[in-house]
Amino acid sequence: SYELTQPPSVSVSPGQTARITCSGDGLPKKYAYWYQRKSGQAPVLVISEDSKRHSGIPERFSGSSSGTVATLTINGAQVEDEADYFCYSRDTRDNRRIFGGGTKLTVL
Amino acid sequence: QVQLVQSGAEVKKPGASVKVSCRASGYPFKNSYIHWIRQAPGQGLEWMGMINPDNGNTDYEQKFQGRVSMTRDTSTTTVFMELSGLRSEDTAIFYCAREFCDSSSCHGFFDYWGQGALVTVSS
Repeated sequence: SYELTQPPSVSVSPGQTARITCSGDGLPKKYAYWYQRKSGQAPVLVISEDSKRHSGIPERFSGSSSGTVATLTINGAQVEDEADYFCYSRDTRDNRRIFGGGTKLTVL
Repeated sequence: QVQLVQSGAEVKKPGASVKVSCRASGYPFKNSYIHWIRQAPGQGLEWMGMINPDNGNTDYEQKFQGRVSMTRDTSTTTVFMELSGLRSEDTAIFYCAREFCDSSSCHGFFDYWGQGALVTVSS
């Protein structure tokens, strides 16, 4: 079955650049989307269609996609960016909705 | 502003059913599909199905066919997800999420989520 693969954790110091990847064979044909979920809160859309920043999302967040890898980049990560981040896309064969396993970002 | 407010945590025994609600506000209720997504402990997010609030049409993930039912009440702008035959593996946080739709079409991704409802299945 189709899968989206993310690293379980990423750790950076405040002010550094954090990069979270999402790998999937279908990503050359299907958009990737990124969500942020802080502890106990509703998930928030961060990036849509590979690289469109959702309204209200700080400019330090950006998205890109190349080949089978989509990347969420946080330039100058802040302590308040600590959260779980997960990617989402569609299966090219049957259009099933698929999520990545999630990446826990630590900023300290 | 768009809000999806879900019902509270539930504890159920194996074999029982659970019904989770999701009240939508801040936008025309019938204009956007509502999806249900769950996350079991230590697992990734899993799409369960969706409902079109305009006509009540549903589309369920095959894994949940026969066990899940999604309905809506347009008078209260609320969507419901009922899962029957509960087993311990159904212990999870259940989220509702709105699909982004504009004047031309719906775009297959979720722009707003509810806060989640923890359902614990335990004897």
